[in-house]
Amino acid sequence: AQTVTQSQPEMSVQEAETVTLSCTYDTSESDYYLFWYKQPPSRQMILVIRQEAYKQQNATENRFSVNFQKAAKSFSLKISDSQLGDAAMYFCAYRSITGGGNKLTFGTGTQLKVEL
Amino acid sequence: DSGVTQTPKHLITATGQRVTLRCSPRSGDLSVYWYQQSLDQGLQFLIQYYNGEERAKGNILERFSAQQFPDLHSELNLSSLELGDSALYFCASSVGRGADYGYTFGSGTRLTVV
Repeated sequence: AQTVTQSQPEMSVQEAETVTLSCTYDTSESDYYLFWYKQPPSRQMILVIRQEAYKQQNATENRFSVNFQKAAKSFSLKISDSQLGDAAMYFCAYRSITGGGNKLTFGTGTQLKVEL
Repeated sequence: DSGVTQTPKHLITATGQRVTLRCSPRSGDLSVYWYQQSLDQGLQFLIQYYNGEERAKGNILERFSAQQFPDLHSELNLSSLELGDSALYFCASSVGRGADYGYTFGSGTRLTVV
C-alpha cells in the first residue's frame, strides 16, 4: 500500500517570503498522480496543485510550484510571496492509477503559519 | 462555494444513536467519495460510489454504510455511534470513475458523539 509522509507538522514563514513544504511517498508504481490540498480554518479542502508522475516538468499555479523528484519519491510545495491567506493546513496526497481504487491517500499535514 | 453540498454542517448526538449525513455532488460529477478526518487518524478514505454503484471501499466500519441515489446525491449512515466516531466527515466528488484531477470537497459535517 502506498504511504505519504509529511515530516514537518508545523512551519512558519514571514509575509512575502518563500517557504517549502516537504512530502515523500512510498510506491512501487511508475505512474500516478500527486496533489497538494490546502485546508484553512474554514475546514474546506481546496486543491492547490496537481502533478502527473509521467510528466517531468514541475507543475506551477501562480505563486505555488512543486519540486517533483520521481526517483527520490519527493514532492515538495513551494509557496512564493507568502500571504496571510496562505495560513492553513497543507496536505500532500497520492493517487494510484493502476490499483487501490480511486482513493487519494493523504499525508498527516503541515500547519503553515504566516507572520507579519 | 465548491459546488459540493453537505448537510448538516454540525451534528451532536449520543452514543448508540444513528445519524445520516447527506452529500450532493457538484453538477456533472458522477463519483462521490466519503472521508473521515480525525485528529488521530488523519484523512481516511471510507467509500466511493460511481453513478449509483459502489466503486471502492476503504477503512469503513461495518456500523457505517452508504449509498448513492439516482439523482446522484449520497448518504452516509453511521449507526451504534461511539465516542471515537467523533470526526469531520467529508464528501468529495469527481467527474469520472477516477480522480485524475483530484476531488472537489464539500465543507464537511462535524459529528460530535457525547
